[in-house]
Amino acid sequence: QQQVKQSPQSLIVQKGGIPIINCAYENTAFDYFPWYQQFPGKGPALLIAIRPDVSEKKEGRFTISFNKSAKQFSLHIMDSQPGDSATYFCAASMGSDSSYKLIFGSGTRLLVRP
Amino acid sequence: NAGVMQNPRHLVRRRGQEARLRCSPMKGHSHVYWYRQLPEEGLKFMVYLQKENIIDESGMPKERFSAEFPKEGPSILRIQQVVRGDSAAYFCASSRSYNEQFFGPGTRLTVL
Repeated sequence: QQQVKQSPQSLIVQKGGIPIINCAYENTAFDYFPWYQQFPGKGPALLIAIRPDVSEKKEGRFTISFNKSAKQFSLHIMDSQPGDSATYFCAASMGSDSSYKLIFGSGTRLLVRP
Repeated sequence: NAGVMQNPRHLVRRRGQEARLRCSPMKGHSHVYWYRQLPEEGLKFMVYLQKENIIDESGMPKERFSAEFPKEGPSILRIQQVVRGDSAAYFCASSRSYNEQFFGPGTRLTVL
């Protein structure tokens, strides 16, 4: 119940394409869903986050779509660029948990070809 | 406006030695989290601390691992008698309040 399942494991798109990364969860107590971007040898960087009371959130070229009934959320990267090549992690946490610790998906390695 | 700072960035230890990893949170942040990332895997929560208090250590191995966040100074993750399986990247994150966590660059521990 504490798991967050992420797919696909890896993804290759051409420049300008729209990669989509999906995550699913079981625990309905989760109420905060961030996405992180990680480059090799670096720490994860917070990209965008959403709460279950909205179905979509956009920040620049990054969009989160959230489907509360299906317990799924996804990241879309518009007009993808080679510089977006990185590993992306979804995560979830719950306010009822005293620590708000993040439960991470297993990651998606994205390659954007020029 | 410095981000989360971690040192050392790389640490090599022989089996049986101790490893000390340091984390200085962002200015104004009083919540510190430690996560471990094994090669080619996602991040796993280890421990959550506020100043002088361990709030949640449910992800910490029961033996050899400890963490502290003193009133003054950085948070420390301590691994005693390291084994090869401890080789991983250890990340610290900090937050001002709940939810938004900002990560440091990590400490990559190699146990020979």
